[in-house]
Amino acid sequence: AAGVIQSPRHLIKEKRETATLKCYPIPRHDTVYWYQQGPGQDPQFLISFYEKMQSDKGSIPDRFSAQQFSDYHSELNMSSLELGDSALYFCASSPTGLAGDTQYFGPGTRLTVL
Amino acid sequence: SQQGEEDPQALSIQEGENATMNCSYKTSINNLQWYRQNSGRGLVHLILIRSNEREKHSGRLRVTLDTSKKSSSLLITASRAADTASYFCATVGLKTSYDKVIFGPGTSLSVIP
Repeated sequence: AAGVIQSPRHLIKEKRETATLKCYPIPRHDTVYWYQQGPGQDPQFLISFYEKMQSDKGSIPDRFSAQQFSDYHSELNMSSLELGDSALYFCASSPTGLAGDTQYFGPGTRLTVL
Repeated sequence: SQQGEEDPQALSIQEGENATMNCSYKTSINNLQWYRQNSGRGLVHLILIRSNEREKHSGRLRVTLDTSKKSSSLLITASRAADTASYFCATVGLKTSYDKVIFGPGTSLSVIP
């Protein structure tokens, strides 16, 4: 079965650079969630989208922005990167966004900021 | 953590033994889920238990949920070396839609062959 696809899988950037992470949800899933997992930490919710509209916002820095496109893929844009942004970034999708739905996680993008 | 505590933080057992991990959470939930993560890799969804369920089984996994105590446990029976991973419990709240998953801090399980 198709899974959530994230690209790139690994990304190395310098401080103050920008990065764009992409997420392709499972087909016919219209809800996308982004999570950040720092080294040795639990995943933290950043932001979510339902039908191309932002549906919830967590601890996402102002330097980050995200959107969901007409084909339901989502991009997380990160500017003025800091060392502390080094983390594993997960995208998840669910069929309807309803609270009872299982969220299916992608393999993650490992961002390293030097 | 946003959500609560997991107990223990680290667990080391011999292959073949059972492993029990506990999780507590703070707010009312729609469901609770357990995930496995191998050494900084992707999150693998193991099992979901809804707030009106008390126990659920999936293969060697047994999950219990006590909503009065806001706690859950994950039991892995007859553990194998391949079960070595971090295990996270995660809750979904009561919003009717778009509710994020809130993760606990995780338990690091080592199964020694």
